Amino acid sequence: DAGITQSPRHKVTETGTPVTLRCHQTENHRYMYWYRQDPGHGLRLIHYSYGVKDTDKGEVSDGYSVSRSKTEDFLLTLESATSSQTSVYFCAISESVREGTQYFGPGTRLLVL
Amino acid sequence: GENVEQHPSTLSVQEGDSAVIKCTYSDSASNYFPWYKQELGKRPQLIIDIRSNVGEKKDQRIAVTLNKTAKHFSLHITETQPEDSAVYFCASYSGGYQKVTFGTGTKLQVIP
Repeated sequence: DAGITQSPRHKVTETGTPVTLRCHQTENHRYMYWYRQDPGHGLRLIHYSYGVKDTDKGEVSDGYSVSRSKTEDFLLTLESATSSQTSVYFCAISESVREGTQYFGPGTRLLVL
Repeated sequence: GENVEQHPSTLSVQEGDSAVIKCTYSDSASNYFPWYKQELGKRPQLIIDIRSNVGEKKDQRIAVTLNKTAKHFSLHITETQPEDSAVYFCASYSGGYQKVTFGTGTKLQVIP
């Protein structure tokens, strides 16, 4: 597995509370992605980053924000968690856009009560 | 944006039989098509990929075919084994959007 870690791996929180998930890589890859995985929907892109402080929205970005202050870290924040954000969140990295191959982190299972 | 459709959503085969999973994409500019395997509770992992300048690629029991004209690509697994049981995702990369779009997944069950 590529050097990707996610923290926390599991989290239970209450509706309305802020939550931050961290993705850390040791591969020095330029591109980083946050996906959520839900039954019947596959993997849906939330936000992605193409460099330090360079980010863009994916198809399901509402209610989420991201930050990337260092190459190795990509943070996903749920400003005010809702039950619909209960999901498994995966971070992925990619060396180049032309290459396309993405390597995934181990995932974070989030439950919003 | 790109749209990727994947079929079937579930597939059961007897051990030793072949399995085929099909995907279609919408963006004619898409040029890279990876396949990922996800075992229960694990992360998706790349198992094979194909680029638009190639029609077929094989890796042992796994092969992928691409029909650019029809905008569809398929994963073929021969001589299936119980350890092939997993969820498989196709994906399409479009340079215009600088990101990968995933299909909704196929749950493959290989019955011993």
